[in-house]
Amino acid sequence: QLQLQESGPGLVKPSETLSLTCTVSGGSISSNIYYWAWIRQPPGKGLEWIGSINYSGRTYYNPSLKSRVTIFVDTSKNHFSLKLTSVTAADTAVYYCARLAVGATTPFDSWGQGTLVTVSS
Amino acid sequence: QSVLTQPPSVSGAPGQRVTISCTGSSSNIGAGYDVHWYQQFPGAAPKLLIYGNSNRPSGVPDRFSGSNSGTSASLAIPGLQAEDEADYYCQSYDSSLSTWVFGGGTKLTVL
Repeated sequence: QLQLQESGPGLVKPSETLSLTCTVSGGSISSNIYYWAWIRQPPGKGLEWIGSINYSGRTYYNPSLKSRVTIFVDTSKNHFSLKLTSVTAADTAVYYCARLAVGATTPFDSWGQGTLVTVSS
Repeated sequence: QSVLTQPPSVSGAPGQRVTISCTGSSSNIGAGYDVHWYQQFPGAAPKLLIYGNSNRPSGVPDRFSGSNSGTSASLAIPGLQAEDEADYYCQSYDSSLSTWVFGGGTKLTVL
């Protein structure tokens, strides 16, 4: 049974960098048929795809966040991570990690439970 | 403003049939990219409900069905049950934006 678990600080100060890690268990992040994604949901609002990465480090980013986002993978630890720089209150959200199969038409079929990150001084 | 447009809310009595629409454009649903649906309960992560327009993952009741036509898709729930009360999101891929996109979500209330 695949499980994804987000971890990281729940409070980040404005202008600083948000850093989260998603640990994958019950499956290998090194599979070449999956991408691994970050998705966020501001309180009371909808879902926004942030970016995706595969086992070799190939990344896709949401153009609206691309200048501030870095996603990287550590296959030895079976986890992948998100860094979002220069955060503001608008970046306050529940951040989810998820898995999707390779291809533009595939769904996010497994999700972590999510972690709330609040941007506040 | 979401790329995929959903009604903010729908409601129905137990046993009734409700549908949730998801309207896109020629660069996403109309371009042939599959639509997927997620169910989200308060405080929980979204769960895949329908994939590839009309397929149900293992464990999802056959009461849930999906369809699409042109630039729109729909989720149908006949025989509404109290436990169906949740938020529902559609999702696809947009080739002009080069992003995976979600609808704004629909809150289903069972009266």
